Amino acid sequence: DAGVTQSPTHLIKTRGQQVTLRCSPKSGHDTVSWYQQALGQGPQFIFQYYEEEERQRGNFPDRFSGHQFPNYSSELNVNALLLGDSALYLCASSFTSGSETQYFGPGTRLLVL
Amino acid sequence: GEDVEQSLFLSVREGDSSVINCTYTDSSSTYLYWYKQEPGAGLQLLTYIFSNMDMKQDQRLTVLLNKKDKHLSLRIADTQTGDSAIYFCAESIRGDTGRRALTFGSGTRLQVQP
Repeated sequence: DAGVTQSPTHLIKTRGQQVTLRCSPKSGHDTVSWYQQALGQGPQFIFQYYEEEERQRGNFPDRFSGHQFPNYSSELNVNALLLGDSALYLCASSFTSGSETQYFGPGTRLLVL
Repeated sequence: GEDVEQSLFLSVREGDSSVINCTYTDSSSTYLYWYKQEPGAGLQLLTYIFSNMDMKQDQRLTVLLNKKDKHLSLRIADTQTGDSAIYFCAESIRGDTGRRALTFGSGTRLQVQP
């Protein structure tokens, strides 16, 4: 059983560009959450998708948007990249019942130059 | 608001026990988690505890929860060099929409000396 997978593993972009990151959830999971982890810090919640809709959002600007597909996979889009968007982006999947325990993927490391 | 606090660094000798501490602020949170992160990797779920429990043991790991003081600890028995990593405490908080999201501490770097 594959766990949570993310692509790409690494990405380099320049300021002002746009980026799309992808996530496939663990088998049996229907909810995907995205987190941003800056160097030396804990992950910060960006938003969560369930039934193809954004259900909850953290304190991130509208430049951060997402999508969930019928197969539960998800994308995170960031527009007008800033240097400060350089971080590890983590995807977590969960099942919307019980503890809703979140399992994380390996992350995508984004560097904005 | 919600805030999770952890000490930044802990150094122990191989074979000793490690105790990593965490304080949280949201009294409504019902699940508390410990995750491990090795260099350049994602987060690995170690264990979690439901708020109606005081203690949970899973092999070398023991979690203690003091709800009155909002204090959570993770004890690793017989610490090995492979346990060297950053350990994150996280609380699961239900938002306005009823969905749960995690709030993390800044992580405790555990260094195990051979």
